[in-house]
Amino acid sequence: GENVEQHPSTLSVQEGDSAVIKCTYSDSASNYFPWYKQELGKRPQLIIDIRSNVGEKKDQRIAVTLNKTAKHFSLHITETQPEDSAVYFCAADTGGFKTIFGAGTRLFVKA
Amino acid sequence: GAVVSQHPSRVICKSGTSVKIECRSLDFQATTMFWYRQFPKQSLMLMATSNEGSKATYEQGVEKDKFLINHASLTLSTLTVTSAHPEDSSFYICSASRDRGLRGEAFFGQGTRLTVV
Repeated sequence: GENVEQHPSTLSVQEGDSAVIKCTYSDSASNYFPWYKQELGKRPQLIIDIRSNVGEKKDQRIAVTLNKTAKHFSLHITETQPEDSAVYFCAADTGGFKTIFGAGTRLFVKA
Repeated sequence: GAVVSQHPSRVICKSGTSVKIECRSLDFQATTMFWYRQFPKQSLMLMATSNEGSKATYEQGVEKDKFLINHASLTLSTLTVTSAHPEDSSFYICSASRDRGLRGEAFFGQGTRLTVV
């Protein structure tokens, strides 16, 4: 089955700096890659997603890139703010709406 | 976005008893819902896929007799933890996707924190 690996597990940045989180997936049939943000004690919320027919997508300070050949996709957050502090999960959709999550990255943005 | 409601948000039960958790899609029909389990500071582990009108599909290592799933309608799936033990204590969360035939955003319930004493 699908396996999603995510790195780093913890990331600490200074406010205003950029943060990059990387993921790899194993199932070449996966073609939908969402990113979720989960604040402590709350449900995961979608922040951005990308489909396999697109190489890059941007939404204000957040961007995602996808390299299908290498089975890599990354999340980029620019001009980080303290409220960006949370756990971020990458995921791959294996079909039938089944979503497999990466292990998560705990992002700390220091003011 | 679509709304998925999960109930209860917290439950404490005695060892050996059963607990039922409900997951409802409030403003859309969901033929498929998913149940996840999340341990502290860990990822969401898919337990099973709940299919309306048919049996759930369980992930490897998940006991189907322990975690009973029923998806009797297009808006409701239930997870029953039977004969609960302290090791079943965890955060359980469901999700549903609104889009049909097109892989799309999963909307999550608010989760249920189960504590078995």
